[in-house]
Amino acid sequence: RKEVEQDPGPFNVPEGATVAFNCTYSNSASQSFFWYRQDCRKEPKLLMSVYSSGNEDGRFTAQLNRASQYISLLIRDSKLSDSATYLCVVNRSGGFKTIFGAGTRLFVKA
Amino acid sequence: DAGVIQSPRHEVTEMGQEVTLRCKPISGHNSLFWYRQTMMRGLELLIYFNNNVPIDDSGMPEDRFSAKMPNASFSTLKIQPSEPRDSAVYFCASSLNLAGTGELFFGEGSRLTVL
Repeated sequence: RKEVEQDPGPFNVPEGATVAFNCTYSNSASQSFFWYRQDCRKEPKLLMSVYSSGNEDGRFTAQLNRASQYISLLIRDSKLSDSATYLCVVNRSGGFKTIFGAGTRLFVKA
Repeated sequence: DAGVIQSPRHEVTEMGQEVTLRCKPISGHNSLFWYRQTMMRGLELLIYFNNNVPIDDSGMPEDRFSAKMPNASFSTLKIQPSEPRDSAVYFCASSLNLAGTGELFFGEGSRLTVL
């Protein structure tokens, strides 16, 4: 079993739709959580950190459920420019080992 | 400010040849990571360094792979001998890792094709 698991998708949604991605992690000692975004043939870039209390950044909302060991990302009012792969990322306890999920592909269409 | 710099951007080589990938992290960052990305396996962590010291190389697939970080501004990932299944995009990332909260900054990647 992979340490970080995501539904690979793809998710095909129209502009303006709300879409949600989930991610599960297996190591209960995981310490920090993030969502990264990767455009086609580009490097991953940080989208947002995920805090225990949940956090929002514009149209993006991230949630963490430590008891169930899952992380979610909600995108409201999808834009064409949101089309990308979204990577769930977990830092092990101790902080250095950063593990990426395989990513969920999102296509937003006009 | 310059980001993480990787070279070469593209490498095509024949099976059995030695491949050396290079990385210059962002100045001041204390952690460096090497990842490999393929369609089948996603982003795999190969090895990471903290303050130039290798912390965990359990992701290195075989003895054919080796990585060094002789100083804070340079790291190499070497494959010798290379095999077709090593074909992938190899990313280097660096971070200012304070208690595990550091954002990873990635280079543009080195796309390796082994024929």
